[in-house]
Amino acid sequence: KQEVTQIPAALSVPEGENLVLNCSFTDSAIYNLQWFRQDPGKGLTSLLLIQSSQREQTSGRLNASLDKSSGRSTLYIAASQPGDSATYLCAVRLMDNYGQNFVFGPGTRLSVLP
Amino acid sequence: DTEVTQTPKHLVMGMTNKKSLKCEQHMGHRAMYWYKQKAKKPPELMFVYSYEKLSINESVPSRFSPECPNSSLLNLHLHALQPEDSALYLCASSQDSGGYRRETQYFGPGTRLLVL
Repeated sequence: KQEVTQIPAALSVPEGENLVLNCSFTDSAIYNLQWFRQDPGKGLTSLLLIQSSQREQTSGRLNASLDKSSGRSTLYIAASQPGDSATYLCAVRLMDNYGQNFVFGPGTRLSVLP
Repeated sequence: DTEVTQTPKHLVMGMTNKKSLKCEQHMGHRAMYWYKQKAKKPPELMFVYSYEKLSINESVPSRFSPECPNSSLLNLHLHALQPEDSALYLCASSQDSGGYRRETQYFGPGTRLLVL
């Protein structure tokens, strides 16, 4: 059974710092991995999607990498801002059930202090 | 337009009530999903509809009944719920046309449900 973990569970940094969030998964049979942001009590906003054949994706200050063989992904946030404060979740899209099954990690709660 | 809408935003219901949650997308996506999210926990997949047919039911109790009337709409009918069913219910959709399973999932804002 696929298990997804995220480290750290919570992170507090001063504004302007660069930071790395980690996501690990146990089964490399995935179609892709997606990073989301969730503000308290809200829905999920897609940040980056990395296909299983890709190594990284970039969008603005965000860069996500994927090492499928070792079951790891990282989300790098450059020059963090208070508006980045949220919970960041990674999710893998499994290859079983015709690729319609997703498993989420527990998330990393990020606080960026002004 | 990458918007998934959900109504209502908040819902309070008693254990004997019947209510429905509604989800709508107009992106032409062929796969739609229901997730349940408890506080400080990740979303858990409940149901998946693909081309308006139920393709995944993650052993969800029968007091939750999904319905996909057309390719843009997804409902979740609720009946005889328990207080532990209180949670944020999230709807999502993805393109997934032609068996291509690589697209982004787009989420709605969720319905916060409280069962008394």
